[in-house]
Formats: sequence, C-alpha cells, structure tokens
Amino acid sequence: ETGVTQTPRHLVMGMTNKKSLKCEQHLGHNAMYWYKQSAKKPLELMFVYSLEERVENNSVPSRFSPECPNSSHLFLHLHTLQPEDSALYLCASSLTRASPLHFGNGTRLTVT
Amino acid sequence: TQLLEQSPQFLSIQEGENLTVYCNSSSVFSSLQWYRQEPGEGPVLLVTVVTGGEVKKLKRLTFQFGDARKDSSLHITAAQPGDTGLYLCAGVYSSASKIIFGSGTRLSIRP
Repeated sequence: ETGVTQTPRHLVMGMTNKKSLKCEQHLGHNAMYWYKQSAKKPLELMFVYSLEERVENNSVPSRFSPECPNSSHLFLHLHTLQPEDSALYLCASSLTRASPLHFGNGTRLTVT
Repeated sequence: TQLLEQSPQFLSIQEGENLTVYCNSSSVFSSLQWYRQEPGEGPVLLVTVVTGGEVKKLKRLTFQFGDARKDSSLHITAAQPGDTGLYLCAGVYSSASKIIFGSGTRLSIRP
C-alpha cells in the first residue's frame, strides 16, 4: 500500500478513443504530479499541481489534459493518442514541491 | 538543460557480490533522493541526503552525498536477489521547488 492509488492498472486504447486515468491520495499532501516512464528514458515530468492549481506543464501535447478537482484527486484525460504515447504513467504526491515523492503503481498504457 | 547521469545503466551480478552505483551532475543540489522501483510498482523512496559529505546506511545499502552536493553514490554490500530493481536518484532544487530524476540503474542479482 503506497498511499497513492492509480486506476486502471492497465489500459489498451485505440488512437481515436477517449479515456481517463485516475489518481487518489489521502496522505494530506499538497502537491500532485503526473510522470511518464518509457523504456530507456528517464522519468519525464508532465504536470505539477500545487494546492489544486497547475504550476507546471512541461510542453506536453494537448492530447493529454490534466484535471485536479481537489487536493486528493488527479486525473489525466487522454484523447487521440499516438502509439508512441504507450508508456507507464505514474502519479505521485508530496507534502511540498521539494519533498520526497510518494508514487502510485502506475497505469500501463498501450495505444494501438 | 539540467542533467543527472547515473552509471552504470545496467548491472547484473552474482548474489553476495558488492556493487556501487553513481549519480553525477554539474549542478549543486539542496538535497538528493534515492528511490528503488520494482517491476509493476512505482518508485519508493529509500533515503534523502542533505549535507555535503553525508553518509547514510540502510542495512546493506550505504548512500553518500558528495562534498560539493553535485553527486552521490549507492553502495550495496553482499547483494541479495531482493535488491533487484531500478534505482533512481533525484536531485532537489529547493529554491525552485524542482526535482529532477536520473536515468536510472537497472540492477539484477543472480541467485
């Protein structure tokens, strides 16, 4: 039990589908993050939310759309993805933006 | 571009051997974190080092932060199959509220 729960664990979607990834934390953390992890690449930070406000967007294509309705929940809405978007998507939270991260177990996404 | 290089990228050794993993940068960090990620799971924090020259021990794992706070090493003594995983270092810039991750070292311990 990591304290950060991600659903679904696995997702296969076609390029024309729309799906959403969900992340939930009840650790009382103020910051939440989406990371992309591909084979042979370092962890790529996608989005950062601090106190429900998006504070960082690292040049992520608009086909990825984050949403943070409250401090405990974070979503990543996906539409018209490309096969190269297939990866492990990790959610994380931290008490402050420089505090150690608590990661979920990720969603393994395959785009066909 | 801020870079954090880890070496080696891959390491496969026999159970009982010792190993060292390195994390290097040209940047000075406020602190540095080490995580381990096992297959099918997210990274889990092992340790945070804060002071230049600091050494922290976690059972058979010894972490050291460089004197100049630009680099770090992880030494594992008598490696066990349970040590298998992806080891990630992460440099923290407190003033910018930013954390950058290294490329990782994938460690495999053969029984």
